[in-house]
Amino acid sequence: SQQGEEDPQALSIQEGENATMNCSYKTSINNLQWYRQNSGRGLVHLILIRSNEREKHSGRLRVTLDTSKKSSSLLITASRAADTASYFCATVPSGGSYIPTFGRGTSLIVHP
Amino acid sequence: GAGVSQSPSNKVTEKGKDVELRCDPISGHTALYWYRQRLGQGLEFLIYFQGNSAPDKSGLPSDRFSAERTGESVSTLTIQRTQQEDSAVYLCASSLAIGRVGEKLFFGSGTQLSVL
Repeated sequence: SQQGEEDPQALSIQEGENATMNCSYKTSINNLQWYRQNSGRGLVHLILIRSNEREKHSGRLRVTLDTSKKSSSLLITASRAADTASYFCATVPSGGSYIPTFGRGTSLIVHP
Repeated sequence: GAGVSQSPSNKVTEKGKDVELRCDPISGHTALYWYRQRLGQGLEFLIYFQGNSAPDKSGLPSDRFSAERTGESVSTLTIQRTQQEDSAVYLCASSLAIGRVGEKLFFGSGTQLSVL
């Protein structure tokens, strides 16, 4: 089963604009991670936010977490054509299994 | 090696044949995961290994799927009597230790399996 669900499924923007992707989940988590995938192959870890954190930054990336709403958002500021990729959130449950569960992803296209 | 290595990168097989996919994790990573990704879909968990503990096989879709891992190194995923619905990218990932919650996953480039 897929724990996290990203929204929107697809996003098309112009270079320089900001891109916002959302992730909703259902059960309690220990942390939430965002990954990027180019061309349908290997994923690359972007950022991790723990359940007791509300916001984290890494370069042009900003991630927020609202555990009361069971949702997270990934903001990419000043987007570039090279940011074109699919972005996935992965939730790590609290207690028991620590296996990350991935959503279906958001496909981002940044037009030059 | 520097990263997670998977082989082959592409595999075309006929329905009913067995296939074996290989994963070399990052040296020192005790946790190893297999995921499956169908075209345009998210990642579906298959199995994970952590050190010498019994593997978590809860994600394997049928008894045609099996996996082994030699100690804390190479893992092979075997699919017997392949079916067309097995066509997907099979991704392997490793991390330092599943018990240390929050460890990020390092992924290989995957094996694209096509069953004709």
